[in-house]
Amino acid sequence: AQKVTQAQTEISVVEKEDVTLDCVYETRDTTYYLFWYKQPPSGELVFLIRRNSFDEQNEISGRYSWNFQKSTSSFNFTITASQVVDSAVYFCALSLVNDYKLSFGAGTTVTVRA
Amino acid sequence: GAVVSQHPSRVICKSGTSVKIECRSLDFQATTMFWYRQFPKQSLMLMATSNEGSKATYEQGVEKDKFLINHASLTLSTLTVTSAHPEDSSFYICSADTSGTGYNEQFFGPGTRLTVL
Repeated sequence: AQKVTQAQTEISVVEKEDVTLDCVYETRDTTYYLFWYKQPPSGELVFLIRRNSFDEQNEISGRYSWNFQKSTSSFNFTITASQVVDSAVYFCALSLVNDYKLSFGAGTTVTVRA
Repeated sequence: GAVVSQHPSRVICKSGTSVKIECRSLDFQATTMFWYRQFPKQSLMLMATSNEGSKATYEQGVEKDKFLINHASLTLSTLTVTSAHPEDSSFYICSADTSGTGYNEQFFGPGTRLTVL
């Protein structure tokens, strides 16, 4: 079985600060996908990134960046220069390559104060 | 991108009634759809995998007779909460597998908030 752990329940920052969300996963499979989703107060899940277990390159997309380290089974997410609109619950998730069932972490609530 | 809709977005019902929630893939065909449940301030928990033309696969602890799933076409899956009770009040989210479309990812619907009085 797969397990995703997001140890940080809530993070509160002031606008323009950087915030890093931790994600640690467990799986016995060697091929898998890792995801990050954003869930704003409206409830709809917004897809942010998918990373294949074969690809350990870090990725940057605008103010978002991801650090995938297979050696520590971690897939951390950093928001640079946070904005109030970044306030949301962020979920890390894992699925196996041929099975799209997602195992979600508990989520981290990010609050960005003006 | 692939779009998934859910209807209704919000429903309030009396205890003992049944509620049907629809999940539609609007611009692609989905052989597999998933149903998740999210209680307030909690994570999403997979309830079942819905396969077009066959019976749904339920996760451990989910009552198949209470949560009826029908995936009658490649664009529609329905979840019926039968004899709903207040403890069934939750946010229900569906997703569709786009692996056959070239997108190779899972797209989520906007969710349905069920309140059982």
